[in-house]
Amino acid sequence: AQTVTQSQPEMSVQEAETVTLSCTYDTSESDYYLFWYKQPPSRQMILVIRQEAYKQQNATENRFSVNFQKAAKSFSLKISDSQLGDAAMYFCAYRSATYGNSGNTPLVFGKGTRLSVIA
Amino acid sequence: DTGVSQNPRHKITKRGQNVTFRCDPISEHNRLYWYRQTLGQGPEFLTYFQNEAQLEKSRLLSDRFSAERPKGSFSTLEIQRTEQGDSAMYLCASSLGAGDGNEQFFGPGTRLTVL
Repeated sequence: AQTVTQSQPEMSVQEAETVTLSCTYDTSESDYYLFWYKQPPSRQMILVIRQEAYKQQNATENRFSVNFQKAAKSFSLKISDSQLGDAAMYFCAYRSATYGNSGNTPLVFGKGTRLSVIA
Repeated sequence: DTGVSQNPRHKITKRGQNVTFRCDPISEHNRLYWYRQTLGQGPEFLTYFQNEAQLEKSRLLSDRFSAERPKGSFSTLEIQRTEQGDSAMYLCASSLGAGDGNEQFFGPGTRLTVL
């Protein structure tokens, strides 16, 4: 079974600074997807960024980028120019890649990192 | 609103009572997932549907839990004889089909407190 580990329960960053959230995972599969989800207080979870394991290029979405190290099974999230609205729980998640009607299987989540942004 | 909706948002019940939650997915999304999130943990998969067919149930889904999606649209999750350990946030998500590229969109969750 796949597992996802987030070793930083809490992180803080000054507004406008950069912060990196860590995530490692364990799998024997060669093809899979990795995600970072954001869960603001009392609000629903939204997808921040995703990475396909077969792609060597790291994904980027505006101020959010990842450092995907497949051999090390590491998937960190970098938030640049942090804003007050970035304060939330961040979850790293894994999903197996399958094909046909068996695809889009359930996500496996880490325990999350609570990010605080200091004005 | 075209997002995933869940009702009720909060439920307080006494141990031993039955509770039922409802999830309305995004229109035309044929995949629907239930997850449970306890305090300090990430969401854990419970079960999921393709249209009205229940494809998989996790070992977390004990015999006291049952989920349905009778017409392939909304889904219900029922917990019978609730226990204090059932206290958690129950999240629903939906996606458009089985394609691996399809994103799972989450609802706001139903927070259950068992006294």
